[in-house]
Amino acid sequence: GAVVSQHPSRVICKSGTSVKIECRSLDFQATTMFWYRQFPKQSLMLMATSNEGSKATYEQGVEKDKFLINHASLTLSTLTVTSAHPEDSSFYICSASLQLVSEQFFGPGTRLTVL
Amino acid sequence: AQSVTQLDSQVPVFEEAPVELRCNYSSSVSVYLFWYVQYPNQGLQLLLKYLSGSTLVESINGFEAEFNKSQTSFHLRKPSVHISDTAEYFCAVSDSGGSNYKLTFGKGTLLTVNP
Repeated sequence: GAVVSQHPSRVICKSGTSVKIECRSLDFQATTMFWYRQFPKQSLMLMATSNEGSKATYEQGVEKDKFLINHASLTLSTLTVTSAHPEDSSFYICSASLQLVSEQFFGPGTRLTVL
Repeated sequence: AQSVTQLDSQVPVFEEAPVELRCNYSSSVSVYLFWYVQYPNQGLQLLLKYLSGSTLVESINGFEAEFNKSQTSFHLRKPSVHISDTAEYFCAVSDSGGSNYKLTFGKGTLLTVNP
C-alpha cells in the first residue's frame, strides 16, 4: 500500500519550453503532497507543500511563478516548470502524506534535462 | 526550526563488516525520526522510523537505529553489510505535533560496500 507514482520518469526539453510532471497517490488519498528538488550528490530540498484545493506553500527562494503547482484532487498533484532553463535541470521528487499516518511516501522521481 | 546533521558524507566498508551511519538533530519540539535509502536514479524508500515507544527500531533487512533523546541522535547500524546495501542514506526529522509531517533532511551519507 501507499504507492506514489511520477510521470514522466525522464524528460528532455529545449530551453524556454514548459514541462509538466505528475505525481499520483495510487492507493490512497493524500492529504498533503510535497515537491522536492535534488541536485547531484546532494540532499533533497523542499520546494513546496500543497494541500488539495488550496494554493501551494512555497519555501523561501523558490519562485512560485516558475514552478507552478496544482493539486486538483486528493490523488494528483502537478509541477510545471515554466520557461525551463539549463539550470533547472535536476531530479524532482514528489511525496504524499496521509492524514493520521506520520510519514511521507515518495515517488520514484523525474529526471529533467533542459538543453 | 529543525536541522539534521549527518556527520559522514561517505562511509566505505568491506562486505560483512559492521557499519554505523551517524545522525544528530536539533529541534525545539518533539520529533519523529526517519532513515531513508536512495539507490541511484530512484526515489526514497523508508528504511525505518521512530515515532514513539521503544527507542530501538529495526528494519526488515537488518538495519536498526536507536533514538537517544539526551544526545539528540538517531544513528543507523547494521552488524554485517552486503554489497547490495551500497546506496545513499538520508536521516530526516519532522515535528511530531505538526499536521502535514514536513520533513527536514540531512545531507546524506553514501555507504559503499566493497567486496
